[in-house]
Amino acid sequence: NAGVTQTPKFRILKIGQSMTLQCTQDMNHNYMYWYRQDPGMGLKLIYYSVGAGITDKGEVPNGYNVSRSTTEDFPLRLELAAPSQTSVYFCASSTPAGEQYFGPGTRLTVT
Amino acid sequence: GESVGLHLPTLSVQEGDNSIINCAYSNSASDYFIWYKQESGKGPQFIIDIRSNMDKRQGQRVTVLLNKTVKHLSLQIAATQPGDSAVYFCAENMDSSYKLIFGSGTRLLVRP
Repeated sequence: NAGVTQTPKFRILKIGQSMTLQCTQDMNHNYMYWYRQDPGMGLKLIYYSVGAGITDKGEVPNGYNVSRSTTEDFPLRLELAAPSQTSVYFCASSTPAGEQYFGPGTRLTVT
Repeated sequence: GESVGLHLPTLSVQEGDNSIINCAYSNSASDYFIWYKQESGKGPQFIIDIRSNMDKRQGQRVTVLLNKTVKHLSLQIAATQPGDSAVYFCAENMDSSYKLIFGSGTRLLVRP
């Protein structure tokens, strides 16, 4: 199992550009999550999904969108990048028991 | 609002000693708690979890203690090793979807 994979690893965006952060898991988990982590801080939940076709907002959803067309994939979309979205983004998926497995992260800089 | 926090931002211990990392939570309805370890440049890695119907759970070299009376969680690492140096986060469960609220983290430094 590859676990949770994320692409790209790094990205620099100009203000106003858009991009999609990809996340794939091969563990057949129903639950998937997107977090952002600012320097020296904990993780904050952006969006989550409890199954294909179902998504919901977390703590900090503004400026982001998600979709969940398959069990495996949970892409995160930034439509109009802003400097405040400079962060490290982690995708995770969880077992029915709740243990979350994290991907390696995407480091995004918006200038 | 509800939050999870940590008492000590940085903990420095001698190799071989035991480490104790503490966490306070404020949501009395939370029923699931997890400790994660995050090494530099990597995603969080699951260490151990505990449910609210337990007050202690042991893993390999790690023990989590839960005190629901004072809403306190701790992670004990026995015989701390250099490879244990990382940032440790506690997290609590918000609801049945297993959304987690993370604390801000404690950095553990192991002195050789």
